[in-house]
Amino acid sequence: EAEVAQSPRYKITEKSQAVAFWCDPISGHATLYWYRQILGQGPELLVQFQDESVVDDSQLPKDRFSAERLKGVDSTLKIQPAELGDSAMYLCASSLGQGDTEAFFGQGTRLTVV
Amino acid sequence: AQKVTQAQTEISVVEKEDVTLDCVYETRDTTYYLFWYKQPPSGELVFLIRRNSFDEQNEISGRYSWNFQKSTSSFNFTITASQVVDSAVYFCALSVWNQGGKLIFGQGTELSVKP
Repeated sequence: EAEVAQSPRYKITEKSQAVAFWCDPISGHATLYWYRQILGQGPELLVQFQDESVVDDSQLPKDRFSAERLKGVDSTLKIQPAELGDSAMYLCASSLGQGDTEAFFGQGTRLTVV
Repeated sequence: AQKVTQAQTEISVVEKEDVTLDCVYETRDTTYYLFWYKQPPSGELVFLIRRNSFDEQNEISGRYSWNFQKSTSSFNFTITASQVVDSAVYFCALSVWNQGGKLIFGQGTELSVKP
């Protein structure tokens, strides 16, 4: 069964260090999302790609976060420098279309900043 | 602005009991989609159902059923004869047709099913 792959599953980093997460969506899915889920809350969208283009990054803290999907397939989310408040689960999802189709999520990367 | 409210933070039931998870949404758009996802302890969000705003038919899938009522802006989820494996956090979510599929999630309801 096709699935969204994310790595690493867990990451511990010191504050002010750089950290990167990787996501490989389901083959053929043009839309890719990065969500952040703080413990005890629902996920919130950070950035959305349609192929290689950013569709929505209005909630991405651009002073420290960056995201790319260079060839319109896999994607990388980077944080530099990491802050204590960035500790959260980072979830990647993909879908065939936008809105009228369901998004499928990866297992996430749990980030702890110490 | 859109919003999803799941008023029940935690629910605890005994196996074989029926349980209903509530979801209330807010949007001014007439075309939108509603979803339920399950998040087990392993962390991934598992898709359960998608409903569009023009389809108010209730749906049943095995032990799961969903009640969509536009009049009360609710999309409730019922598990019949709950099982221990149903223990998880359940999220209701909303997406609006002109926002590219962005999901707006509720806070989630943590369901604990005890043997």
